Amino acid sequence: AQSVTQLDSQVPVFEEAPVELRCNYSSSVSVYLFWYVQYPNQGLQLLLKYLSGSTLVKGINGFEAEFNKSQTSFHLRKPSVHISDTAEYFCAVTQTGANNLFFGTGTRLTVIP
Amino acid sequence: DSGVTQTPKHLITATGQRVTLRCSPRSGDLSVYWYQQSLDQGLQFLIQYYNGEERAKGNILERFSAQQFPDLHSELNLSSLELGDSALYFCASSLDRNTEAFFGQGTRLTVV
Repeated sequence: AQSVTQLDSQVPVFEEAPVELRCNYSSSVSVYLFWYVQYPNQGLQLLLKYLSGSTLVKGINGFEAEFNKSQTSFHLRKPSVHISDTAEYFCAVTQTGANNLFFGTGTRLTVIP
Repeated sequence: DSGVTQTPKHLITATGQRVTLRCSPRSGDLSVYWYQQSLDQGLQFLIQYYNGEERAKGNILERFSAQQFPDLHSELNLSSLELGDSALYFCASSLDRNTEAFFGQGTRLTVV
């Protein structure tokens, strides 16, 4: 069975500081990994995805994530956050050949001016 | 704009009633997913359809049902509504499994 753990439910960070949002997954087979962002009163928007190839994945809005198979992690990073990055971030995993995405419980990123 | 359209955006109804939520996937997408998002349970996968057939089932209650029509739009039917069914219901679509899902703006259901 797959599961996704987002270790931090809330992350406050000052504007222009770096941030890392942590995500660990459990699966005994190959997986595809995703990060989504949800702005207030909106649906989820894809930030980036890992399907195969390079373990460092770059996404929109300056975010990147690194797939670490040995640590079963897919942490999201940004070197310098902006006020507009304040949102809820969801990590998701799907098993190759499976049909549905499993989401973590989300991390609320709050950027402090 | 993700290309996924959900209607209505807001719905207020009484306990015991039945409602239907509608989703139009992105053009060309064959897969439709339904998710429920509530404060206490987070984002829960309900059900997935692919080209008209049910493909996967998650934490969907027996009072809830869904279908995908030949034109690929999908409907989620919620019956005998309870206060605890109040939530945001999201539809997402993807070209196929293992590709990223694109989410609609959601339908906010309030049961009073």
